[in-house]
Amino acid sequence: ETGVTQSPTHLIKTRGQQVTLRCSSQSGHNTVSWYQQALGQGPQFIFQYYREEENGRGNFPPRFSGLQFPNYSSELNVNALELDDSALYLCASQAGGLKTGELFFGEGSRLTVL
Amino acid sequence: GESVGLHLPTLSVQEGDNSIINCAYSNSASDYFIWYKQESGKGPQFIIDIRSNMDKRQGQRVTVLLNKTVKHLSLQIAATQPGDSAVYFCAENSREAAGNKLTFGGGTRVLVKP
Repeated sequence: ETGVTQSPTHLIKTRGQQVTLRCSSQSGHNTVSWYQQALGQGPQFIFQYYREEENGRGNFPPRFSGLQFPNYSSELNVNALELDDSALYLCASQAGGLKTGELFFGEGSRLTVL
Repeated sequence: GESVGLHLPTLSVQEGDNSIINCAYSNSASDYFIWYKQESGKGPQFIIDIRSNMDKRQGQRVTVLLNKTVKHLSLQIAATQPGDSAVYFCAENSREAAGNKLTFGGGTRVLVKP
């Protein structure tokens, strides 16, 4: 296990609703990244937070937003859910805000949008 | 657990044989490359990384080869074991990207036959 914990593990929402996913980073890690993994595909970078500030964003619309808290845990919020938002959402943490270095992934939150 | 990669390219290998997984990338600015292993129902797990100033790096039973001329990356697994059955992703980071933003490939499923 990596020490990165995510909640909830599974959830079902309907189109138009909002969802909040949570992540606790590995002890000592101050950088958290979020990825979206559609079934049968590789993960896609959503954004990264370093010391409570966004530090890089992928090609996702503004309805995907995030927060990082002083204890380095993080939330991913998605508004106005669409069917294509159904995916596994992965959180990863690392020590420092470097561009390289091992990312430790959690086991993900599986979101189904009906 | 959930199935990751229902329609991925599949490599079937006999237990004890060597496995070679290939990956092509297109971004000339990529300067850091990583291989991840993802088992069903779990998040990606770091295997090995390599920077662009190297062309080979070895770990325990694994070797990563980088050919920057043809933008090709490979992962070699020696003496493949049943526990190696998983989906394998290559990922890269670009010196132009903000933060540790990984771009993942589509993945290859490895099935180890006893």
